[in-house]
Amino acid sequence: DAKTTQPPSMDCAEGRAANLPCNHSTISGNEYVYWYRQIHSQGPQYIIHGLKNNETNEMASLIITEDRKSSTLILPHATLRDTAVYYCIVKSGNTPLVFGKGTRLSVIA
Amino acid sequence: GAGVSQTPSNKVTEKGKYVELRCDPISGHTALYWYRQSLGQGPEFLIYFQGTGAADDSGLPNDRFFAVRPEGSVSTLKIQRTERGDSAVYLCASSLTPPGALTDTQYFGPGTRLTVL
Repeated sequence: DAKTTQPPSMDCAEGRAANLPCNHSTISGNEYVYWYRQIHSQGPQYIIHGLKNNETNEMASLIITEDRKSSTLILPHATLRDTAVYYCIVKSGNTPLVFGKGTRLSVIA
Repeated sequence: GAGVSQTPSNKVTEKGKYVELRCDPISGHTALYWYRQSLGQGPEFLIYFQGTGAADDSGLPNDRFFAVRPEGSVSTLKIQRTERGDSAVYLCASSLTPPGALTDTQYFGPGTRLTVL
């Protein structure tokens, strides 16, 4: 079973920041937080991951709370192409990804 | 560079037939994963290879499913006596991370959509 909880859906206006929350209250000390997204009819796309420090790359920022029990993925300027299902996953080592139901983000013009 | 590729993109077969699905990982990636995604669900793990050997096959649903990776690169997922319930998108992912690493980042292919009539 997935160790994360995400809202089933969210809307965001185009050009605004999209903030996607994730709860992972049972995360273990050696588990990383990963975010993937899946655009309709495509394979999942890696976005970003982190352990305890906040991370930023060309796609997004990841903010992890100090107690590591929750995190937020931030898409700073959402576009219509960011409409997708976003999955938050915790994992360690060479282990399979365990996908939950994710958050369906709809970016609206 | 080239990403993970999967062939065919679509496969339609009849109940009871045998099918093979192919995955070409990113060059140099030692780890390879197979997942299956049913309509409206997230992907579910099937099997994980590290090099040529199956390090974890706990996700294979039954003995009709088998996968190989004989040279540590291309992998083939084989399904015998297909059933209508096998209809799904079969996804492959690869990662560069060696065994024992603290974590690994997996990159996915576009998937093969299997339809069993």
